[in-house]
Amino acid sequence: ETGVTQTPRHLVMGMTNKKSLKCEQHLGHNAMYWYKQSAKKPLELMFVYSLEERVENNSVPSRFSPECPNSSHLFLHLHTLQPEDSALYLCASSQDRYEQYFGPGTRLTVT
Amino acid sequence: AQKVTQAQTEISVVEKEDVTLDCVYETRDTTYYLFWYKQPPSGELVFLIRRNSFDEQNEISGRYSWNFQKSTSSFNFTITASQVVDSAVYFCALAGSARQLTFGSGTQLTVLP
Repeated sequence: ETGVTQTPRHLVMGMTNKKSLKCEQHLGHNAMYWYKQSAKKPLELMFVYSLEERVENNSVPSRFSPECPNSSHLFLHLHTLQPEDSALYLCASSQDRYEQYFGPGTRLTVT
Repeated sequence: AQKVTQAQTEISVVEKEDVTLDCVYETRDTTYYLFWYKQPPSGELVFLIRRNSFDEQNEISGRYSWNFQKSTSSFNFTITASQVVDSAVYFCALAGSARQLTFGSGTQLTVLP
C-alpha cells in the first residue's frame, strides 16, 4: 500500500449504530487529519493529530470521537449520528504540518 | 482569520482551450503557504503545488502554471490546452503560521470533448 488509505470506502448506518472509520498513512508523516466534506460546502477540518496528540478539535459534536494509536493510524468512531452527518469523510497526513496528502475518503450515509 | 475565495463556482471549456482558475486569499500572517488541490470524481484530493509567501516566482509544470501576486492577494491557476481528464473540482487553500489549511469552496471544471 502507498499513500493514504481509508476503509471502508462506503458506509451506510442507522442513527443508533456504532461504527468506525479507519485511516492509514504509509508516508512516514507525523501529523494526521480528519475532514468532513458535505455537498455545496467547503471542506471542514474536524481534528488534527500531531505526533499522536490531538492539537485541534474544531467544535465537533461528541458523537464523533477520534483516536490516534500511533503515527500511522487514525480512527474516527461514530455513534448516534444524525442524517445531516452524511458526507464524505477525508483523512489526510503531512510532515510537520506542511502540504497534506489525502486518502480517497469514506462516503457515509446516515439513515 | 484566514479566508480563501474562489469566485468561479463552475467553468466549462472545450478541449484544448486554456482556462484560468482564480483564487483570492486573506490572511494577517506575514509568512503563509498557498496550495492547489485537484479532486476528481473518485473523491481523493490530489496535491498539486505549494507556494511560500516569500517566493513570488511563477511556476510551470507541464500544462499547469501558477501566478502568485502578493499585491493583489491572488494565486491563480492556469491549465493550458485543457483535456477531458482535467475535469475535476479544484481547491485553493491557505495555511498561515498555525499551519491549519483553510480551503476555498472549489471550482468545478468541466472539459468537453
